[in-house]
Amino acid sequence: GAVVSQHPSRVICKSGTSVKIECRSLDFQATTMFWYRQFPKQSLMLMATSNEGSKATYEQGVEKDKFLINHASLTLSTLTVTSAHPEDSSFYICSARPTGGDGYTFGSGTRLTVV
Amino acid sequence: RKEVEQDPGPFNVPEGATVAFNCTYSNSASQSFFWYRQDCRKEPKLLMSVYSSGNEDGRFTAQLNRASQYISLLIRDSKLSDSATYLCVVFEAGSYQLTFGKGTKLSVIP
Repeated sequence: GAVVSQHPSRVICKSGTSVKIECRSLDFQATTMFWYRQFPKQSLMLMATSNEGSKATYEQGVEKDKFLINHASLTLSTLTVTSAHPEDSSFYICSARPTGGDGYTFGSGTRLTVV
Repeated sequence: RKEVEQDPGPFNVPEGATVAFNCTYSNSASQSFFWYRQDCRKEPKLLMSVYSSGNEDGRFTAQLNRASQYISLLIRDSKLSDSATYLCVVFEAGSYQLTFGKGTKLSVIP
């Protein structure tokens, strides 16, 4: 079945630094990938839709200059949390939808802790 | 604003019990519906799709009522391994986006 690899699974960083999270589809091409954030005891909230070769579409309230998304190939999307603050600490998950296909596959998530 | 509302839970049930989860969605144009399962600190995994005619997969039965914008999940003969958070998820065809409910936590007790 379709597999999405997400790295790192866990990261601790200092306030003010930047963190890059990678989401890679291993055995399929994904024109569109999605980035979610999940705070404790909350549901997954869509942050942005990442489209290969074009600018990402951000949900209302998500700062595009803070959460930089790059989808340079059909198998890789990256999310960079810039100038991270403790309130950015969360569980970030990507999902990918096969080009021309159905279904969504989720990455294993990245737990970010900003200290 | 697109909303997906679920029973708040938590549900604590003994092994062997039958438990039902409910979910309502606000966007009448929603196209597809799913139940996902999420274990603690893990990514969500698809449990089953929900079809208008209702569908069953082993001990799990899902129902959809489009007129009432209501989805349900029934788990029969609960197992300890069923303990997880169950997420009601709605798919918006135009945007290819998934909207998640907050989830209902189930604990199956020996």
